[in-house]
Amino acid sequence: GNSVTQMEGPVTLSEEAFLTINCTYTATGYPSLFWYVQYPGEGLQLLLKATKADDKGSNKGFEATYRKETTSFHLEKGSVQVSDSAVYFCAPGGSNYKLTFGKGTLLTVNP
Amino acid sequence: DAGVIQSPRHEVTEMGQEVTLRCKPISGHDYLFWYRQTMMRGLELLIYFNNNVPIDDSGMPEDRFSAKMPNASFSTLKIQPSEPRDSAVYFCASRSGGGGRGTDTQYFGPGTRLTVL
Repeated sequence: GNSVTQMEGPVTLSEEAFLTINCTYTATGYPSLFWYVQYPGEGLQLLLKATKADDKGSNKGFEATYRKETTSFHLEKGSVQVSDSAVYFCAPGGSNYKLTFGKGTLLTVNP
Repeated sequence: DAGVIQSPRHEVTEMGQEVTLRCKPISGHDYLFWYRQTMMRGLELLIYFNNNVPIDDSGMPEDRFSAKMPNASFSTLKIQPSEPRDSAVYFCASRSGGGGRGTDTQYFGPGTRLTVL
């Protein structure tokens, strides 16, 4: 089955700093790739996705590029805000309709 | 759309009691997933349904856990009897079928925080 290795946190940044959260995966074929975000006390929300190699998903200033050759889908943001403080999950999809979630990376952004 | 609806949002019960968690998926979605989230184990898939039929329940921890989906609009996850180690946040998620990559996003409910004393 699929597996995912996600950068361990916690990650603490100052406002306007650059963010990278690394994610690598193993999967059969070429699955869709997802980043979900979980704000405190809430469920997971889709942040962005990419469905094929070299696609770039983007949303709310976050970006991630589907890198088939390195089986990676690293999340980046050029300038984080306090409101970005949350837990971020990387997840490859699967032909069996499951998502395989990473352990999550807690991001704290200080003013 | 109201999104995925879960109830209750919080449940506190005593060991040995029966607990029932409820989920209403997004209308028109063919797939429904139950997850459990804990600090120790992260996010675990317990079971998922397609068109109300359980497809994979390999993540259900033991016989104390059962899940049903009597119709396309409703699913339950039941724990009987409950134990303190069942304390977690339980999420329901749904997605549409078809298999196309445009439909493979799962939409999560707000979760039920279960505390078993």
